[in-house]
Amino acid sequence: EPEVTQTPSHQVTQMGQEVILRCVPISNHLYFYWYRQILGQKVEFLVSFYNNEISEKSEIFDDQFSVERPDGSNFTLKIRSTKLEDSAMYFCASSGGHSGNTIYFGEGSWLTVV
Amino acid sequence: AQRVTQPEKLLSVFKGAPVELKCNYSYSGSPELFWYVQYSRQRLQLLLRHISRESIKGFTADLNKGETSFHLKKPFAQEEDSAMYYCALSYSGTYKYIFGTGTRLKVLA
Repeated sequence: EPEVTQTPSHQVTQMGQEVILRCVPISNHLYFYWYRQILGQKVEFLVSFYNNEISEKSEIFDDQFSVERPDGSNFTLKIRSTKLEDSAMYFCASSGGHSGNTIYFGEGSWLTVV
Repeated sequence: AQRVTQPEKLLSVFKGAPVELKCNYSYSGSPELFWYVQYSRQRLQLLLRHISRESIKGFTADLNKGETSFHLKKPFAQEEDSAMYYCALSYSGTYKYIFGTGTRLKVLA
């Protein structure tokens, strides 16, 4: 069964550094997402992406965040200048195609900012 | 604003006992409701969606629009059901999901 894959699984970075989290969505899906889960808290929506542009974003997704689909397969989340409070599990997800609007999640990238 | 509430952070039951994980939502229109499960160190996996009205791994959930609830039920819990369970809401005009805070289910031997 096709899956959303994410790299890295875990990254430790210094405060102020830039981080890029990578995702390969399911191949026939059209909608791509990033969600975040701070330890002990709920899964929060960050951004959705469709047709090569952001379709929706939350108030969490401020100017330090950006997303890109640099080629036909990858979908990236960039955090420009990381803060301690950016430490969280970041989930990539995708939907569309035959799965309708059911969202399929990757295993997550655990980001620790020190 | 749209919201999903899962009132229990932790639910412990004995193997073979019935399970009910509560989920309430606030949305004035016609929502689409989902249950996701996250086993230890694994990804969020779709368990149920209300539209399909199916039973997966013995779990069922019925959308009650009057009570704005979508509780997850299983008549006989098994140890392998131990996991985090998240209720999620989607609605017209958006493709994003709004998640509840999750309930950790522990099934005791």
